[in-house]
Amino acid sequence: NAGVTQTPKFRVLKTGQSMTLLCAQDMNHEYMYWYRQDPGMGLRLIHYSVGEGTTAKGEVPDGYNVSRLKKQNFLLGLESAAPSQTSVYFCASSYVTGGAVDEQFFGPGTRLTVL
Amino acid sequence: DAKTTQPNSMESNEEEPVHLPCNHSTISGTDYIHWYRQLPSQGPEYVIHGLTSNVNNRMASLAIAEDRKSSTLILHRATLRDAAVYYCILRDPTSGTYKYIFGTGTRLKVLA
Repeated sequence: NAGVTQTPKFRVLKTGQSMTLLCAQDMNHEYMYWYRQDPGMGLRLIHYSVGEGTTAKGEVPDGYNVSRLKKQNFLLGLESAAPSQTSVYFCASSYVTGGAVDEQFFGPGTRLTVL
Repeated sequence: DAKTTQPNSMESNEEEPVHLPCNHSTISGTDYIHWYRQLPSQGPEYVIHGLTSNVNNRMASLAIAEDRKSSTLILHRATLRDAAVYYCILRDPTSGTYKYIFGTGTRLKVLA
């Protein structure tokens, strides 16, 4: 199993450009998440999805859109990139147990720089 | 959401035990305590979780105070590979939300 993979690993954008980050998981997980991590900070949740075709806002959703057309993929879009969106982006997925443990499995991250 | 407080950084010698504290004085009765760690240049990884009783797994032990207002992650023998940022997170599975509030964590430095 590849686990959670993210594409691309690095990207440099100019202000105003758009791009899409792809997250894929092969664990048949229901839930998927997008986080951002700024230097010296913890992770902050951008958007998440509890199933195919559903998405919801997290802590810091402004400036981002997401789509979950297939269960295994979760896309994060930046329509008009801004320097404040320079960050490392992590995708995660988790299974549904109905209990307490919804261990999240994280991807390796995408380092995005907006000039 | 209930918050957690952790020291910014800690140091340990290699092959010695490490006790990483976490305060969560506003924890609710249904909050589980989760620990994740983030190795350099990687995404976080799950370490352990618990509710009321102490817990052990192959990676670590979790000691939970009787009043649940604090907990301690115990690494029994620190290795250089344990150098990471450790996050203590509260998670209520009955809340209907799926947010993990990571905070800034404790950066553990392991000295050879």
